Amino acid sequence: EVQLVESGGDLVQPGGSLRLSCAASGFTFSIYWMAWVRQAPGKGVEWVANIKQDGSEKYYVDSVKGRFTISRDNAKNSLCLQMNSLRVEDTAVYYCARVFGTGGIFYFDYWGQGTLVTVSS
Amino acid sequence: EIVLTQSPATLSLSPGERATLSCRASQSVGSSYLAWYQQKPGQAPRLLIYDASNRATGIPPRFSGSGSGTDFTLTISSLDPEDFAVYYCQQRYNWPLTFGGGTKVEIK
Repeated sequence: EVQLVESGGDLVQPGGSLRLSCAASGFTFSIYWMAWVRQAPGKGVEWVANIKQDGSEKYYVDSVKGRFTISRDNAKNSLCLQMNSLRVEDTAVYYCARVFGTGGIFYFDYWGQGTLVTVSS
Repeated sequence: EIVLTQSPATLSLSPGERATLSCRASQSVGSSYLAWYQQKPGQAPRLLIYDASNRATGIPPRFSGSGSGTDFTLTISSLDPEDFAVYYCQQRYNWPLTFGGGTKVEIK
C-alpha cells in the first residue's frame, strides 16, 4: 500500500524557516517524480513544486521561487521542502504527492494526509 | 499561467441526480491534458479522471470526463451520497501546474 507521511509543520513567524519532510513507502520511490501541493485554510489547491526522479529537474510556482527548495533522498525514500523567508500567505496545509506514472505525467495519484504550516506573528 | 475557471461554484442536487461540472481554461491545454480530483472535508484530494476522460484506478464508472482544448466537463451520472464533496480540475499542459477554484457538490 502506497503511504506518504508528512511531518514538520508548525507555527512560525514571518521571515522564519521551516523544513517539511515526507516519508514514502509501499512503492519504488526512486522511479517517480514527486511534488508538494498546498491548500490555504478554506481555499483551493495550489501546486508548489515538483522534483524529478534523480533530482536533476525541479520546478516551482513563481510565488515560492528563491525561497523554497524541494529535495529528495532516494536511499531513505524521503522528500523534503525547505521553506525560507516565510510569509503569512504561505499558511496552508502542505501535501506530499506522488506524480502519476513514471513518465512525468504531471497529475497526482497519491497524497499524504498533509502537515499544517502557520505563518503568523 | 493557465487559469482554470470552474462553474458553478456550488451545485445543489439530490442523491440519484446527474451532476455536470465545468472547467474552462484561459488557453488551450492541448487535446486532453486535464485531470479531475475529488476532495472531502479533512481529506486530501483524490485523483478521479486523468487526461480528460480516463478514470483513475478504482474510480467507479458513474464518473466520466470529456472535453478538449479549453472546455472540459466532469459528469457524475447518478449521485451517490458519498459523492457530495468539492471537485477540482488541474492542467498539466505547461508550467506552472494550475488548479481550478473548485465546485462544491452539496445535498439539496
